[in-house]
Amino acid sequence: ELKVEQNPLFLSMQEGKNYTIYCNYSTTSDRLYWYRQDPGKSLESLFVLLSNGAVKQEGRLMASLDTKARLSTLHITAAVHDLSATYFCAVLVSYNTDKLIFGTGTRLQVFP
Amino acid sequence: EAGVTQSPTHLIKTRGQQATLRCSPISGHTSVYWYQQALGLGLQFLLWYDEGEERNRGNFPPRFSGRQFPNYSSELNVNALELEDSALYLCASSGAGTGSETQYFGPGTRLLVL
Repeated sequence: ELKVEQNPLFLSMQEGKNYTIYCNYSTTSDRLYWYRQDPGKSLESLFVLLSNGAVKQEGRLMASLDTKARLSTLHITAAVHDLSATYFCAVLVSYNTDKLIFGTGTRLQVFP
Repeated sequence: EAGVTQSPTHLIKTRGQQATLRCSPISGHTSVYWYQQALGLGLQFLLWYDEGEERNRGNFPPRFSGRQFPNYSSELNVNALELEDSALYLCASSGAGTGSETQYFGPGTRLLVL
């Protein structure tokens, strides 16, 4: 069965610094999603990555996908406090199942 | 445009009871998905409904069931509640059941089983 691993699980970073969250998955998939979850809240869609080499950017966040390495990254540039949240990657198992397998999540805390 | 809505926001039940959770998808979306987010277990896929039919289910016992109505809203039923069913239940909807659309999540129902 498809496994999705994220690291790190926890990330405490200073404002203004850069960092990368990694998402590895175990079997072939061409759809990868990044979501954000604030404490006690639901999931907010950030990015959908549809093909090998896909790169998407929104503000201080940039996501990329390497389907051959089965790796996606979420890069944070010049972090600000508002980015503090838990970030999940999720991989689509197949078109017929529409099942998303979620990573463990990375809890990000940005401090001054 | 209204997002995915879920009710109730919180639900407290005792062991052995039944719980019913409701979800209304984004207007125009035909697929509804249910996920369980339990402490220590992460987010796990429960059920997928599309056009009124159950298309796929995750690794959950049969006491987790549901249905989708003609207006595409959905209900999740959990029978014979157990303590470990305590979790946040998230509903998501998408525009097509082909894997090509993003799943948009509702605010969730927090179920507590005592």
